[in-house]
Amino acid sequence: QKEVEQNSGPLSVPEGAIASLNCTYSDRVSQSFFWYRQYSGKSPELIMSIYSNGDKEDGRFTAQLNKASQYVSLLIRDSQPSDSATYLCAVNNRGYSTLTFGKGTMLLVSP
Amino acid sequence: EAGVAQSPRYKIIEKRQSVAFWCNPISGHATLYWYQQILGQGPKLLIQFQNNGVVDDSQLPKDRFSAERLKGVDSTLKIQPAKLEDSAVYLCASSLESGPSYNEQFFGPGTRLTVL
Repeated sequence: QKEVEQNSGPLSVPEGAIASLNCTYSDRVSQSFFWYRQYSGKSPELIMSIYSNGDKEDGRFTAQLNKASQYVSLLIRDSQPSDSATYLCAVNNRGYSTLTFGKGTMLLVSP
Repeated sequence: EAGVAQSPRYKIIEKRQSVAFWCNPISGHATLYWYQQILGQGPKLLIQFQNNGVVDDSQLPKDRFSAERLKGVDSTLKIQPAKLEDSAVYLCASSLESGPSYNEQFFGPGTRLTVL
């Protein structure tokens, strides 16, 4: 059974701080990793994708991938109250394009 | 560029009734997905289409759920008969490619189904 694990949170950080969101996965042959942001009552919005080990930066967001440890993370620098949402980690399944999602981590950024 | 379109946005039905959802993917996207998202959970894949063929329907409850994508563009998902546990948000997503890499999926606004 393919699994993607995330801490459900909530993760509370003050405005301006760095938020660190973590995700582990069970399928060693997974090749594609995604972070989605989901505001309450809205659909998931793709914010980051990463395919190789290391860091990938896009604005205030940095995705980190360690395939040996089966671990992917998302860092949000200079967190803003508008970043308050649930962040979903998604991993592709064994060479196919179908994705398995984690349950998501709720992030709360306080002014 | 227009995003993924879905309708209706909300639907309330009684158990044992039938319901259908419609999805139009991003123009040029060959791959279309239907997901079910129950409150507090991540989306769960129901079915994946590549053009008008089914790639993966292993998690589709085929005794009550059906889906089609006849012309390789828009798609419908049907539930007949509905059960209380089908109450969820039904999300449609599309991607340009269908391979294991670089297959970023983009979601529509979803249909919130309530079964009474």
